[in-house]
Amino acid sequence: DGGITQSPKYLFRKEGQNVTLSCEQNLNHDAMYWYRQDPGQGLRLIYYSQIVNDFQKGDIAEGYSVSREKKESFPLTVTSAQKNPTAFYLCASSANYGYTFGSGTRLTVV
Amino acid sequence: QKEVEQDPGPLSVPEGAIVSLNCTYSNSAFQYFMWYRQYSRKGPELLMYTYSSGNKEDGRFTAQVDKSSKYISLFIRDSQPSDSATYLCAMTLSGGAQKLVFGQGTRLTINP
Repeated sequence: DGGITQSPKYLFRKEGQNVTLSCEQNLNHDAMYWYRQDPGQGLRLIYYSQIVNDFQKGDIAEGYSVSREKKESFPLTVTSAQKNPTAFYLCASSANYGYTFGSGTRLTVV
Repeated sequence: QKEVEQDPGPLSVPEGAIVSLNCTYSNSAFQYFMWYRQYSRKGPELLMYTYSSGNKEDGRFTAQVDKSSKYISLFIRDSQPSDSATYLCAMTLSGGAQKLVFGQGTRLTINP
């Protein structure tokens, strides 16, 4: 079955820690995206990549970093510089139209 | 002002009702319009995809785009409890792998 796999489903971070969220796709899509979802605010774009070894900042990139070393993988690191990281994080990929989303990772700061 | 505005609801209707969900937008260059459905604690799934103005029907769902008014709608006929979810509108300037701009999402509950 083709799709996007995000892991872990739930993640807890201590203050001052960096954490990395995994996103893997087997759809052979070139473009991949990371969104953050907060209640009442919809989806906000963090980073996106349209090709391997290239990525661009989205609307809320501060405190986040990404890499795109393989077509299938687009991990997101939430750094200690992100002051309010508690949110639902969604990874997506696209080819011709629309996005295919993963099931999300819920990150909580403890 | 947000680029895409969507009433967050919540919206609660009885089973069998016709539901109307709407979004307005400010960028007249948007050409492709989508509706996503998101169940609780899940990723959104693509429901409808339309290009430019006009209507598109798929079973109980109809998507409508009025570019002159910068207004899009999703109608759900004969609504079912399984339609209870958050509905997100999204749009982009061109086709292919492009950034989508999302509305805030409308939370819909269909009561049996």
